Amino acid sequence: ETGVTQTPRHLVMGMTNKKSLKCEQHLGHNAMYWYKQSAKKPLELMFVYSLEERVENNSVPSRFSPECPNSSHLFLHLHTLQPEDSALYLCASSQEIMGQGALVAKGLNYGYTFGSGTRLTVV
Amino acid sequence: RKEVEQDPGPFNVPEGATVAFNCTYSNSASQSFFWYRQDCRKEPKLLMSVYSSGNEDGRFTAQLNRASQYISLLIRDSKLSDSATYLCVVIPIKAAGNKLTFGGGTRVLVKP
Repeated sequence: ETGVTQTPRHLVMGMTNKKSLKCEQHLGHNAMYWYKQSAKKPLELMFVYSLEERVENNSVPSRFSPECPNSSHLFLHLHTLQPEDSALYLCASSQEIMGQGALVAKGLNYGYTFGSGTRLTVV
Repeated sequence: RKEVEQDPGPFNVPEGATVAFNCTYSNSASQSFFWYRQDCRKEPKLLMSVYSSGNEDGRFTAQLNRASQYISLLIRDSKLSDSATYLCVVIPIKAAGNKLTFGGGTRVLVKP
């Protein structure tokens, strides 16, 4: 276990279904993220939450709707998805150093901690 | 030009050999750099940070060349377990929410 738990691990849904992906982090981090990883493509950032406030939304279609009720939980609500949305959806968390913007790696092992992902297939 | 570019490979490496590969980035203001490792159908995991002076962690050596805007990873005495995709990660300066930009990954296959 990495400290970031994602459920479900696998999900098959029809295009008219509504489902939600859940992410929980037990690391005391203050930032959480949703990434999409499609076959043969780089990880694509979808949403960023810093201190439970959404700070980034990378032009993601409205059929993906994030929710961050507290600093430990992150959801991705899905509805009327398309087959091309089939991918691995990864949640991550990190500790943002407030007032400095980007994290600073000064001999410390900062970085993201990823969950194991939800492999989504849209049929 | 992509923000972060990597040779996708695969790099076929005999066990015990040394392999090295680079990652180029386009934003000269980038501040922090990392290498992540991703095994097949698993999540990425932080391998090591990359410091300006270069750093080593066992058989792994990371280097940063700011003038030419690339970072490198060298793996010595390759093990079969080193087979994975290595993701280059860059953080632009003063990015809110620690926004990491990932390269597409370099696949390494270590063979007996």
